[in-house]
Amino acid sequence: KQEVTQIPAALSVPEGENLVLNCSFTDSAIYNLQWFRQDPGKGLTSLLLIQSSQREQTSGRLNASLDKSSGRSTLYIAASQPGDSATYLCAVMPGNQFYFGTGTSLTVIP
Amino acid sequence: NAGVTQTPKFRVLKTGQSMTLLCAQDMNHEYMYWYRQDPGMGLRLIHYSVGEGTTAKGEVPDGYNVSRLKKQNFLLGLESAAPSQTSVYFCASRSGTRSYNEQFFGPGTRLTVL
Repeated sequence: KQEVTQIPAALSVPEGENLVLNCSFTDSAIYNLQWFRQDPGKGLTSLLLIQSSQREQTSGRLNASLDKSSGRSTLYIAASQPGDSATYLCAVMPGNQFYFGTGTSLTVIP
Repeated sequence: NAGVTQTPKFRVLKTGQSMTLLCAQDMNHEYMYWYRQDPGMGLRLIHYSVGEGTTAKGEVPDGYNVSRLKKQNFLLGLESAAPSQTSVYFCASRSGTRSYNEQFFGPGTRLTVL
């Protein structure tokens, strides 16, 4: 069974800092990996999706990388802002199902 | 374009009562999913569907049933609610045309079973 781990569980940074969130998975046989953002009491918003054949994807200040062989992905957030405060989740898709990590709760301090 | 909608947003049940959660999507997606989210557990897949008339079990299917009679709707039923089913339930959908199609999520249903 696919296990997805996100470390750290919580992260607090001052505004303007660059930061990296980590996601690791146990089975490298995946079709894609998706990063989400979740605000308190809300649903999940898709940030980036990386196909298994890709190494990275970029959207604005966000950059996600994927190393399938080592079972790792990172989400890089540049020049963090208070509005980036949320929980970030990664999910991998080895077949028709998705497996989620438990998320990293990010707080950006003004 | 409403995306993925869920009904109701909140519900309180007593143990043993039944209810149905409705998920609707207007994006003509083939795949639909029901998840539950619990503190410290992340999102866990309950059931999913790869097309109209099909359903399959996910990671935690016990105590739940689903139906996909129409492509745009995916229903999640609790026949006899238990306190362990207190959770936030999310529905998601995605196109089945490519394996790299994103999942889109609904706003969630917060269910409390007393």
